[in-house]
Amino acid sequence: SAVISQKPSRDICQRGTSLTIQCQVDSQVTMMFWYRQQPGQSLTLIATANQGSEATYESGFVIDKFPISRPNLTFSTLTVSNMSPEDSSIYLCSVAQTGVETQYFGPGTRLLVL
Amino acid sequence: QKEVEQNSGPLSVPEGAIASLNCTYSDRGSQSFFWYRQYSGKSPELIMSIYSNGDKEDGRFTAQLNKASQYVSLLIRDSQPSDSATYLCAVARSNDYKLSFGAGTTVTVRA
Repeated sequence: SAVISQKPSRDICQRGTSLTIQCQVDSQVTMMFWYRQQPGQSLTLIATANQGSEATYESGFVIDKFPISRPNLTFSTLTVSNMSPEDSSIYLCSVAQTGVETQYFGPGTRLLVL
Repeated sequence: QKEVEQNSGPLSVPEGAIASLNCTYSDRGSQSFFWYRQYSGKSPELIMSIYSNGDKEDGRFTAQLNKASQYVSLLIRDSQPSDSATYLCAVARSNDYKLSFGAGTTVTVRA
């Protein structure tokens, strides 16, 4: 399976600011996703990061709050904008290959908003 | 109704026993089923995938799928303290790869 890294691994931010999270894969992958895991909760899909086009967002998530970029097949970013304490979560990227539905997760970014 | 539901935990089993985890899903179009293990403070790690009705065994883990009953389970045989973690059931349709996760079942194996 691909080796996935995320930066930063954790951060503490002030409300009203924005944080950009990076996801880097050591090989080209067709599918990249961003998930959120709120404290004590399971994972919720935020969006599918599409290479060369706008991300596809799930219900309840909007581009203005969570802008996503995917400039190539190995890299994606998720920005959490105008943060509030409710955005305190673990943010995870995952990858998959077309035709192989198994998803593998990165180590996650632990975000605390004060 | 939640898309994916798991039996409520926590589940405590003695070392060497069988841990049984259950998961039901609501979308009959679901085609792919996964079990992930998540240790505290870590990201989910894939342990099993299953796509066809019946049993699939991998070491001490056995996944069982019954699409007619919309039910998937995971058995952990000869449970070890290292199996203590939260187990997440995930379900996907075949055409979009998006995963819907259950709330997870926390398993504690007592030495």
